[in-house]
Amino acid sequence: DQQVKQNSPSLSVQEGRISILNCDYTNSMFDYFLWYKKYPAEGPTFLISISSIKDKNEDGRFTVFLNKSAKHLSLHIVPSQPGDSAVYFCAASDRDDKIIFGKGTRLHILP
Amino acid sequence: ETGVTQTPRHLVMGMTNKKSLKCEQHLGHNAMYWYKQSAKKPLELMFVYSLEERVENNSVPSRFSPECPNSSHLFLHLHTLQPEDSALYLCASSHRGNYGYTFGSGTRLTVV
Repeated sequence: DQQVKQNSPSLSVQEGRISILNCDYTNSMFDYFLWYKKYPAEGPTFLISISSIKDKNEDGRFTVFLNKSAKHLSLHIVPSQPGDSAVYFCAASDRDDKIIFGKGTRLHILP
Repeated sequence: ETGVTQTPRHLVMGMTNKKSLKCEQHLGHNAMYWYKQSAKKPLELMFVYSLEERVENNSVPSRFSPECPNSSHLFLHLHTLQPEDSALYLCASSHRGNYGYTFGSGTRLTVV
């Protein structure tokens, strides 16, 4: 059973516009959420995270929103840039150290 | 270079072969992980080592055998694999209790 779900396998966004990547989770014990970015032939790199005690965390062009009641989080990238084209993984963790990843969403930034 | 180095980058092996994947980190981390990424599936956690001790084996078949000789090195020994084991195998490291993993670039494994 998939505990972290990214239902959109791919997303195309015009350069300069906002990219919104969505993620849903089922385990109410998750208390920490992360987004990773992955380029081809490279391992995932940490992008931004949010603790369950917050509903928003911002870092430059990247903002993560958490809606605990809906068990939903989203990553907003604004403005989108060509270098943002990559696969984005949503991930969640409970009080153990293991992280559960979603399947990923491939983001294409169109010129 | 992320600080976590995996070798080889690509590996093709027959079902009767024995091979090993290597992971090395010099970030001072005390936990290391093996993940498997298959096409159209989430990253699957395989093994967790903390302070060189295996703390988790996530129902992985015995044809995968991990080894952690010290806190900087992690191996995944492969023996009599199946074609469905073809995947990208990712190593990661962290400070125990810190969720910010650092991943290696992965080994692309093809079993023929």
